[in-house]
Amino acid sequence: RKEVEQDPGPFNVPEGATVAFNCTYSNSASQSFFWYRQDCRKEPKLLMSVYSSGNEDGRFTAQLNRASQYISLLIRDSKLSDSATYLCVVPPLGGSQGNLIFGKGTKLSVKP
Amino acid sequence: SQTIHQWPATLVQPVGSPLSLECTVEGTSNPNLYWYRQAAGRGLQLLFYSVGIGQISSEVPQNLSASRPQDRQFILSSKKLLLSDSGFYLCAWSQLGGLANNEQFFGPGTRLTVL
Repeated sequence: RKEVEQDPGPFNVPEGATVAFNCTYSNSASQSFFWYRQDCRKEPKLLMSVYSSGNEDGRFTAQLNRASQYISLLIRDSKLSDSATYLCVVPPLGGSQGNLIFGKGTKLSVKP
Repeated sequence: SQTIHQWPATLVQPVGSPLSLECTVEGTSNPNLYWYRQAAGRGLQLLFYSVGIGQISSEVPQNLSASRPQDRQFILSSKKLLLSDSGFYLCAWSQLGGLANNEQFFGPGTRLTVL
């Protein structure tokens, strides 16, 4: 299994829809996980941090399943402004403390 | 609050020319610093990271080098650029310490085109 793997999409959804992305990871010892959002030709920006079973922030919910080694991101009531690429981020296998591995991202396109 | 600066924002360079990209962080001390490259349509590739002044770890062998002359300054260099060096170069910082791998915060990036 790759260190981090995401469905590249694209996910094309109408405004108001609920959409979920999954991400699988290899490092069973990982304690911290992150979701970043990257707009076209811009830098990634931190969306959510996940340290326990999950985290919720408004319309966004991240869930962690340690047994199956996957993280999900749920977006409710999608807005046009949610269109972006969402990066799943995990600590590396055997890597130095502080480093992170970025998934290649899942592209979301919200249509009117 | 912390801010991270990168310059230049855009750069077009001929093959074989030198490169110097600069990154500075404000509002924090003793951060971890990182250089990533993102090729068109690809994921982020970690190039270098630094846990302190003069301490550089390289993740991928290449014709690039990095230096950290000051606590909050990180420089990416090359003596001779290759076509394959084209990409979006991102600098990031994170807080040192603790057992958890901390979130990283990115600068605005430099878009490099090598012709």
